[in-house]
Amino acid sequence: RKEVEQDPGPFNVPEGATVAFNCTYSNSASQSFFWYRQDCRKEPKLLMSVYSSGNEDGRFTAQLNRASQYISLLIRDSKLSDSATYLCVVNMVGGSYIPTFGRGTSLIVHP
Amino acid sequence: EADIYQTPRYLVIGTGKKITLECSQTMGHDKMYWYQQDPGMELHLIHYSYGVNSTEKGDLSSESTVSRIRTEHFPLTLESARPSHTSQYLCASSEFERQYFGPGTRLTVT
Repeated sequence: RKEVEQDPGPFNVPEGATVAFNCTYSNSASQSFFWYRQDCRKEPKLLMSVYSSGNEDGRFTAQLNRASQYISLLIRDSKLSDSATYLCVVNMVGGSYIPTFGRGTSLIVHP
Repeated sequence: EADIYQTPRYLVIGTGKKITLECSQTMGHDKMYWYQQDPGMELHLIHYSYGVNSTEKGDLSSESTVSRIRTEHFPLTLESARPSHTSQYLCASSEFERQYFGPGTRLTVT
């Protein structure tokens, strides 16, 4: 079983739709969580950190469920420009830890 | 925006050549990473470093080597390039578990 699992999609949604992705992780000791966005043939860029209490940034909401060991990303009012791959990243806090990336979920927003 | 640079951005080279992909960051980050990514596929960690004189192999077996003589510099070397090395190579550095990626080097070995 992979440490971080994501549904690769693609998720095909119309503009204006609300879409949600989940990401499950296997290490219950994981402490830090992120969502990255990667456009085609570009480098990943941080979209948002995921805090224990959940957090929102405009149309994007991230949540953490420690009991079930998953994080989620909700995108409201989807835009064409939201089309990208969304990568889930899980890490431990401390000098010797290396982040673990999910394989990404592809989102296609169509007119 | 992060200050992490990679050169060259694109490279087409013949089989058997030795190549070095450069990665530099000006943020003073101790941790640095190299990833390999084929189009539409997931990131694979091939090397990482905790700091100067520290290098480790990642999850994906790679024929490349790295060095970390200075904090800001983390070059990756292929001694003898092969067509199977054709891929995108992404360098990253991190602070407080957040990673910053360079723009990548797209390598084609003919």
